[in-house]
Amino acid sequence: GESVGLHLPTLSVQEGDNSIINCAYSNSASDYFIWYKQESGKGPQFIIDIRSNMDKRQGQRVTVLLNKTVKHLSLQIAATQPGDSAVYFCAEPQSSMNRDDKIIFGKGTRLHILP
Amino acid sequence: NAGVTQTPKFQVLKTGQSMTLQCAQDMNHEYMSWYRQDPGMGLRLIHYSVGAGITDQGEVPNGYNVSRSTTEDFPLRLLSAAPSQTSVYFCASSYSIKNRVYGYTFGSGTRLTVV
Repeated sequence: GESVGLHLPTLSVQEGDNSIINCAYSNSASDYFIWYKQESGKGPQFIIDIRSNMDKRQGQRVTVLLNKTVKHLSLQIAATQPGDSAVYFCAEPQSSMNRDDKIIFGKGTRLHILP
Repeated sequence: NAGVTQTPKFQVLKTGQSMTLQCAQDMNHEYMSWYRQDPGMGLRLIHYSVGAGITDQGEVPNGYNVSRSTTEDFPLRLLSAAPSQTSVYFCASSYSIKNRVYGYTFGSGTRLTVV
């Protein structure tokens, strides 16, 4: 069935460098994606979302890129800081009868910041 | 505005005991969901609801029941706890526009141990 997955379970990045976290999806009809950040011991927090009518969306220090041709999206974090250490999930709503009903998450990528 | 409130934060149960995990949101969101999170497994959907009086099963519904008698509350019931239900449970809610869900707000989680 359709799924949202992540390429790497762990990513280590030097403090100050840019981080890129990737995500693949299988349903070509998917048109909305969400990125979440989960810090240790906390619930996931919404970071940024993107609809399929866009290729790129920017937030504060974060950018999400969507490549519909290869069904791939990425989350870029600029100038990575120690506070960015977390697990990052991509997620997508799934629909039935022309209505979103649930959000399915990928397994997550753990971002380690090296001093 | 408290967002999504989950209680209790921690719980230890004996095998065979029953309990209810509480979830309440004060944002008038139509969508609510329960996820469990196990190491290396990401977030797996247990049950979800698109509005009061409407519930449906997610990926891993066995051993859990839900009801949605009000917009605000979405309790998760474990009828006969098993060690395999040891996990961290997250409740989430979301608003929708024209049947499309937008993001999710998560609670802080309930850490459940079944011995």
